Amino acid sequence: GQQVMQIPQYQHVQEGEDFTTYCNSSTTLSNIQWYKQRPGGHPVFLIQLVKSGEVKKQKRLTFQFGEAKKNSSLHITATQTTDVGTYFCAGLRSNTGKLIFGQGTTLQVKP
Amino acid sequence: DAGVIQSPRHEVTEMGQEVTLRCKPISGHDYLFWYRQTMMRGLELLIYFNNNVPIDDSGMPEDRFSAKMPNASFSTLKIQPSEPRDSAVYFCASSPSRSANYGYTFGSGTRLTVV
Repeated sequence: GQQVMQIPQYQHVQEGEDFTTYCNSSTTLSNIQWYKQRPGGHPVFLIQLVKSGEVKKQKRLTFQFGEAKKNSSLHITATQTTDVGTYFCAGLRSNTGKLIFGQGTTLQVKP
Repeated sequence: DAGVIQSPRHEVTEMGQEVTLRCKPISGHDYLFWYRQTMMRGLELLIYFNNNVPIDDSGMPEDRFSAKMPNASFSTLKIQPSEPRDSAVYFCASSPSRSANYGYTFGSGTRLTVV
């Protein structure tokens, strides 16, 4: 079945350092979404990417969708302690209507 | 809007007992999803509904699990009989469409512990 793989599983950074998480799908995706889950919380939608090669920015966060629509990345510039949490990518296959989540990358930020 | 509302927030039950989880989606959202989250398996889609009709239940682990959506504002996920391996956080999510620019809105989840 379709899998969405995400790396790394964990990342510890010093506050102010950059952070990147990568997402890869075994099949072409119609779109990809990113979510953030704080410890003890629930996933919260961040953004959706639809077009091949698309790049979107939200303040210090930059999201990219690969040209083949099989991979994506989330880059955070100058991390802050408020960035702590688990970041999930989720890919949607149009023929199934299912949003499949990656395993997530848990970010820890040391002040 | 109060968002997606799930109840109870926590449930502790003994093995063999029936468990019912409840969800009220956001008004006007046509899609409702049930996910299960564990450390080992991450976020797994169990079942989803469109306009109250179950569309895909291939993620439901086994016959002990069942889900219903009797109307647009209410859904239940039932486990009967429950087993310790069902312990997880169960999330309900809703969306106005399958592929919306505003993504899925998740409830706060029900943390189920089966002892």
